[in-house]
Amino acid sequence: QVQLVESGGGVVQPGGSLRLSCAASGFTFNTYGMHWVRQAPGRGLEWVAFISYDGSNKNYADSVKGRFTISRDNSKNTLYLQMNSLRAEDTAIYYCAKDITNFAVVTYYFDYWGQGSLVTVSS
Amino acid sequence: DIQMTQSPSSLSASVGDRVTITCRASQGIRNDLGWYQQKSGKAPKRLIYGASHLQIEVPSRFSGSGSGTEFTLTISSLQPEDFATYYCLQHNGYPPTFGQGTKVEIK
Repeated sequence: QVQLVESGGGVVQPGGSLRLSCAASGFTFNTYGMHWVRQAPGRGLEWVAFISYDGSNKNYADSVKGRFTISRDNSKNTLYLQMNSLRAEDTAIYYCAKDITNFAVVTYYFDYWGQGSLVTVSS
Repeated sequence: DIQMTQSPSSLSASVGDRVTITCRASQGIRNDLGWYQQKSGKAPKRLIYGASHLQIEVPSRFSGSGSGTEFTLTISSLQPEDFATYYCLQHNGYPPTFGQGTKVEIK
């Protein structure tokens, strides 16, 4: 079955950096686009970033553009999110999520989610 | 960005009740809408895609309808395991956007 397991969260000071990882299994990772979605404490869901199946196409929410970088290593079935210049408003649970469609088609519908990794930005 | 407005933001209901949640889009999104269920401390779980298509593992008491700008999620007979927060997601416009959530609580 599909499994997505995030890691790398923690407490970081404003202006600091953190890298999240998401280990994928149970599906052909290198054929699916992947996303990061976040949820601030007690708040709703916000899409953060997308990467295509081969890493050639990346999109970001305006709120993180220029600060966050999504990447993937298909040889390791792992998705990453490098977060720089972190702000208090980036405090959230970060979920990796699989797109429902594969190869060049991207739907931005998330059919499987990881359990999430908490990032807290605080001094 | 396309704004998704869910109503109500919360509701109280009893086991066996019929529950309806509405999601309205600020512009037409065809049927590019999904519904998710999130229990406290857990990741969102897929329920419906394409506005009305149930994911294979989802019980048939859940149903979705709508197209364009107005959509509904209906639970025909609320079960104890259905108490959760429900979110809609539009993926027609970029960026994809979620509704603010509807919390279904026990009456």
